[in-house]
Amino acid sequence: DAGITQSPRYKITETGRQVTLMCHQTWSHSYMFWYRQDLGHGLRLIYYSAAADITDKGEVPDGYVVSRSKTENFPLTLESATRSQTSVYFCASSAGYEAFFGQGTRLTVV
Amino acid sequence: DQQVKQNSPSLSVQEGRISILNCDYTNSMFDYFLWYKKYPAEGPTFLISISSIKDKNEDGRFTVFLNKSAKHLSLHIVPSQPGDSAVYFCSLVRSQGNLIFGKGTKLSVKP
Repeated sequence: DAGITQSPRYKITETGRQVTLMCHQTWSHSYMFWYRQDLGHGLRLIYYSAAADITDKGEVPDGYVVSRSKTENFPLTLESATRSQTSVYFCASSAGYEAFFGQGTRLTVV
Repeated sequence: DQQVKQNSPSLSVQEGRISILNCDYTNSMFDYFLWYKKYPAEGPTFLISISSIKDKNEDGRFTVFLNKSAKHLSLHIVPSQPGDSAVYFCSLVRSQGNLIFGKGTKLSVKP
């Protein structure tokens, strides 16, 4: 199916574990983004990528790692999960000024 | 320092009335201004946009107004419907890839 998909939709992990959230888009959009949504904070940019092998930090990058070896994939890794990283994570892609979002991954760190 | 401010966390409106959602920004170097709508358990979806060279854009029940001198953006929904109940985010685009979002306003439209 065309679009942008995130997996998993829900994830519970323990503090200190490594977790990878997946994002896949079928439009070949050059830009991809990771946001986290928290109550009282709205959408905050974690990392973004302008093209394959080009990534840059956003507003809240600490504790996260990204890679983009292929245009269509943009995984987000929490190297050592902390409770403060409990959040809803959204991936998005863009070819212009409009961004298209995935359905989100609800991550709980216990 | 927050570049985009949505000062009203929530708004409640009666069905059929006008809903007005507001957004203020601090930096003038933006090319496009967008509104996104988000339902629970779903990702945000694009609603309406306006270029920095315009002051109004209308799409059906939705109208976005841009006041560059006041650095103020607003979304008008007329008439409001219960299905409009969602969280609305304003987004400012400085250049491709540079998207900034406000904290969102939760709109509740009561029947």
